[in-house]
Order: sequence, then C-alpha cells, then structure tokens
Amino acid sequence: EADIYQTPRYLVIGTGKKITLECSQTMGHDKMYWYQQDPGMELHLIHYSYGVNSTEKGDLSSESTVSRIRTEHFPLTLESARPSHTSQYLCASSGSPREWNTIYFGEGSWLTVV
Amino acid sequence: QQQVKQSPQSLIVQKGGISIINCAYENTAFDYFPWYQQFPGKGPALLIAIRPDVSEKKEGRFTISFNKSAKQFSLHIMDSQPGDSATYFCAASMGYKLSFGAGTTVTVRA
Repeated sequence: EADIYQTPRYLVIGTGKKITLECSQTMGHDKMYWYQQDPGMELHLIHYSYGVNSTEKGDLSSESTVSRIRTEHFPLTLESARPSHTSQYLCASSGSPREWNTIYFGEGSWLTVV
Repeated sequence: QQQVKQSPQSLIVQKGGISIINCAYENTAFDYFPWYQQFPGKGPALLIAIRPDVSEKKEGRFTISFNKSAKQFSLHIMDSQPGDSATYFCAASMGYKLSFGAGTTVTVRA
C-alpha cells in the first residue's frame, strides 16, 4: 500500500482565496506528480517534479504552482481560486528502484470554489 | 489531444461474466502500459501492467492482451465480482509520465 498523504481531503472556499493543497510521501520517491480529475473523467497531468528544486508544467495548463523544497513534500498552490478550479486534485509519486514505472496515488483533494 | 483512447465509457456485467475494456494508442515510443483501478472517493491504484515485448500478462482474474502491430491493448476481467465495480483507466508511458485513457466504469450486478 502506498504511503502518500494529501490534505485537506475536502475544501470549500470562496472565489479569490489563496489555497495550498499539501502532499507528502514517505517512500523516498524522487518523482512526484499532480493530476487533475473532474468527476467521471480522465486524469490530466498538471505538474511534475523529478527531484528537489525541479518542477515542470504538465500536459494540461494550470494556473496553480508547485514547489519541491524537500523530497517528501510537494505542495500545490492556487493564488486566487476561481469556480473553474473546482475539481479533484490527485498527488502521486514514483521512483522505487524495484518498481520503476509504478506511480502511487494519494486519495485526492476535492476542491470546490464558490 | 488524447494520446490513449479507451472504450467503452461504461459497461454492466453479470456476476461471473467477463468484462473487456479496450485501449488504443498512437505513439510508438510508449514502453509501459499499466491499468489502474479507482473506487469512488479514492485515488487510482495500479492493477496490472505490461511492456510491449509481451503479448499477454495474467494476474489472477485480470489479463492484459497487447497487440503491438495494431497499437491496441485490452483488459479482461474474468469471473467478474461485485467488488470489481469501479472505474478502470488504461495508461501509457514514455519515461516517467503517464497518459491516461478516459476511464471505463464497470458495474457488476449480483
């Protein structure tokens, strides 16, 4: 079972607020990812990191930003939330030498912007 | 542009039946093809995966069939059980990034 934790699990906030979604993993993985998933839809990669101080934009453009100051921590920030940001955000990690391509997901953070 | 096309969008199967989900891809550089299972309110979890040098992989009741020349792969769930009711995503990767299909919601009726 994966040891990757996301907080908060559910968040309802007003338009214009700044929010940070936290993600931590205890597996020592060097690679971490953020995916966005609308209900019943596919997952879209919005950010990824191959290690400390390394961050890249994913395939889906996002107004969010990420940082990777510690190996185990990969927070996602929205400076000014809008209703269009309402979605589920899934954090993931990979990089175990014996499980090269296996990506482990957290349980997700459901964000609702009103 | 969706790099992995998945069908059907949903399917209903009777307990004990076979569920079949199909995926197709275009990028021949993909070198790893996993299937993920997602239950409501949970993150996706790796179910089974295959590399393109193998045509079939079986783990318990789950089998991946891979057709490299057709650029297609499929998931077969044998003896489907109510506990298999979930959304299934195929994916393909090149390096460490995964591209996901749109997902198939499987409902197994008792």
